[in-house]
Amino acid sequence: DSGVTQTPKHLITATGQRVTLRCSPRSGDLSVYWYQQSLDQGLQFLIQYYNGEERAKGNILERFSAQQFPDLHSELNLSSLELGDSALYFCASSAGQGYTDTQYFGPGTRLTVL
Amino acid sequence: AQKITQTQPGMFVQEKEAVTLDCTYDTSDQSYGLFWYKQPSSGEMIFLIYQGSYDEQNATEGRYSLNFQKARKSANLVISASQLGDSAMYFCAMREAPLNTGKLIFGQGTTLQVKP
Repeated sequence: DSGVTQTPKHLITATGQRVTLRCSPRSGDLSVYWYQQSLDQGLQFLIQYYNGEERAKGNILERFSAQQFPDLHSELNLSSLELGDSALYFCASSAGQGYTDTQYFGPGTRLTVL
Repeated sequence: AQKITQTQPGMFVQEKEAVTLDCTYDTSDQSYGLFWYKQPSSGEMIFLIYQGSYDEQNATEGRYSLNFQKARKSANLVISASQLGDSAMYFCAMREAPLNTGKLIFGQGTTLQVKP
């Protein structure tokens, strides 16, 4: 158990809908990262927050948004869902944001868009 | 440009034998970290081992060791005494400086199957 929690574990929804994925980092970790894992794209970085502030953006679609709350938990919002958004979404956390900081991953949320 | 390359899509190893999973990387930074993660069929990503670019000794964590060859830009994972539970997908990842961009860049992964 990495100490990072994600809910829900599975999510099945229809095209055009909006969903929210939730992540609680390990106790004491200030950095939260979101990644998407799909068969065709592999593991892709989406976005990073550090202590409530957005710090880096990767290949995140405009239909997707995220935030980190004062209690450090984070939410990833996916809207106008398309079939291609079906993927495993991971949240990870680390104590800091330096290159030596290990990122610990949550169990992931498996999103299926029908 | 591909920054992390794992050239072995799939590997087989006999139980109790050692196996090496290859990883090469590309960066112009002097400061970077290299990580290996394990993803079993259940889907979670499990951190295995870390090597910093300035570390002079190869990292070891139990049965896992990292064969770090900086000049060749390779960071191969060695698993000794393979167990059936080692069957999984293994990802090599890199994290570059500078600060404020903490993303991990992942390779495509290597599927390891341990045979009894």
